Amino acid sequence: DIELTQSPSSLSASVGDRVTVTCRASQNIGSHLNWYQQKSGKAPNLLIYGASILQGGVPSRFAGSGSGTDFTLTISSLQPEDFATYYCQHSYTTPPWAFGQGTKVDIQ
Amino acid sequence: QVQLQESGPGLVKPSQTLSLTCSVSGGSINRPDHYWSWIRQPPGKGLEWIGYVYYSGNTFYKPSLRSRLSISIDTSKNQFSLKLNSVTAADTAVYYCARGDSDVYLSFDNWGQGTLVTVSS
Repeated sequence: DIELTQSPSSLSASVGDRVTVTCRASQNIGSHLNWYQQKSGKAPNLLIYGASILQGGVPSRFAGSGSGTDFTLTISSLQPEDFATYYCQHSYTTPPWAFGQGTKVDIQ
Repeated sequence: QVQLQESGPGLVKPSQTLSLTCSVSGGSINRPDHYWSWIRQPPGKGLEWIGYVYYSGNTFYKPSLRSRLSISIDTSKNQFSLKLNSVTAADTAVYYCARGDSDVYLSFDNWGQGTLVTVSS
């Protein structure tokens, strides 16, 4: 099974900061990497699919990059509503489709 | 806009069967481009994909749960269901149903609000 390792597990940042979260896959998954935002008590929300394609309605300050085994989620200028937990997830060919362990972004 | 809604008991006794249903509205469940999944999240922990059912009835389960898990689909009712038997406290979690869409790299683009299931006597 393919495993995903996110880093860091948590970070503290200020409004306006540039934030980067990384996700590493245990084998080559091409561009089959998706990113979600989850706020406390809510279901996750799809931000980016196919490693770099922004889901409709998601602000352009969110960006995804990478392919193969190494991927990055970047928030160019952190806004108050972005404080949440972020998960990567792979959807490469045959399941199981695993999630990373999550990165919690909180206020510094 | 497709909406998903989980329903089922919030409390299940150890060794019994956890049963949940996901009702889909605003779109047909009977489409080849969608994979209807169950995902769970233990309190304070991360997300765990546990399985999907396809419109044809084909399924795929997380290997560690395969012996206890069954997911089925009822296209006439536009809903799909999960049954997990022989539950223990480790199965306590918020259970989400979600739609995987092959048009967006099989990402989960629609989710239910989630339902907390507690396993306790």
